[in-house]
Parts: sequence; structure tokens; C-alpha cells
Amino acid sequence: KAGVTQTPRYLIKTRGQQVTLSCSPISGHRSVSWYQQTPGQGLQFLFEYFSETQRNKGNFPGRFSGRQFSNSRSEMNVSTLELGDSALYLCASSWNPSTGAEGGFFGQGTRLTVV
Amino acid sequence: AQSVTQLDSHVSVSEGTPVLLRCNYSSSYSPSLFWYVQHPNKGLQLLLKYTSAATLVKGINGFEAEFKKSETSFHLTKPSAHMSDAAEYFCVVSDPGGGADGLTFGKGTHLIIQP
Repeated sequence: KAGVTQTPRYLIKTRGQQVTLSCSPISGHRSVSWYQQTPGQGLQFLFEYFSETQRNKGNFPGRFSGRQFSNSRSEMNVSTLELGDSALYLCASSWNPSTGAEGGFFGQGTRLTVV
Repeated sequence: AQSVTQLDSHVSVSEGTPVLLRCNYSSSYSPSLFWYVQHPNKGLQLLLKYTSAATLVKGINGFEAEFKKSETSFHLTKPSAHMSDAAEYFCVVSDPGGGADGLTFGKGTHLIIQP
């Protein structure tokens, strides 16, 4: 059974650009959550999607957005990139509407560098 | 709101000796608690989880953790450290009902194994 797949693995973007990251959950999983990992702030919750609907959102500016498709694949978009957006972006999938009781299975992440 | 404090940013032990990684949590609910491990340039792997069943939880690779409600602690232990255990460990708390905070991560404990 394939795990959570995140693409691309690495990205370099310039300030002011926008970027789209993709996450394909484990087959059968309908919940996808996104996290940002930085050395200074650690791992922070971005948002969670279930059945194409955003269920929860962390404390991030509106430049961070996402969506989920009918096949449960999810994308997150960051517009008007800032240097501080450089981070490892992790995606987690689970069966249920929330990773709360299960913890979720994580992908290897996308390393975004903003220059 | 929920929070988690990992009491040590770095822990160094000799190979073959016991490992103790300390974690305290705060939650308004009866929380779900997890330990994740992250090896360099890898995603997060779930070691074990507590979801209100047995208070002593056994995980993969010989790790276990004990949930102590009176002490609001969920410390991770392993009887004998192996070189392959060197990694970053995260204690995580969550509202099992799927609250708005997603998974809340501690800052991490870097485990160093001395030969």
C-alpha cells in the first residue's frame, strides 16, 4: 500500500511568487492535513480537509490556502511568497474527518526555499 | 486550547542504555497523545499513540510511553538505545473529537546516541 506522497520534494521560489504543493493521501483516506515545519516555530498546523471541505484552519495569513479534490488529493497554495515561508511543508492523511484520534500518516514533505 | 512541552531539547545516551524523553501536556479535553520520530530528511513516523485505553502504550522499535493523568505527563522510554534511534522525537497532543487545533506538536527532543 503506497504511503502519503508529496510533490515536489524540493522547490526554490523567489519572493513575491506563488507556489502550489500537492499531497496524495493513502488510498481510502479522506482526511488531509497540512503542517509547516521551521527551525524557529517547529511544527504548526495549517489546515485540514475532509471530503473536499476545509474543516479546520490554523493561525496563518490568508496567503496560505488549500483545497481537496474528489479523489482526496489535496493542494496547498502560498501566494506572494515571503522569505519566512521557507520551510518543510508536511501533509498527513487519515481515514476519519480528523487526525485527532489517529495521529495521521505523514508524507516526506516538500522543502520550500524562498530567495 | 491544548499545548505540549518537551522538557529536554537534547538528550544524549550511550548505546545499550535506557532512553527517557519527557513530555508534559495541557488539554481541556481527554486528549489523544502521540509520539512521532523524524529522521534526517525524512517525514514523521508514528511511534505510538494513547487514546484512552491502556495507560501504558507499547509502540514500534521497543519504545513505550505511560500516560499519567495526575502528572499530565506522557514520557517516552526504551530499555536499551540503539544507534538507529538517533533522531528528532516529537510529543503530540490532540483533541480526539477533532478540535480546531489539529495536532499540536512539542518543540522536539533531539536524541543523540553515543557509541
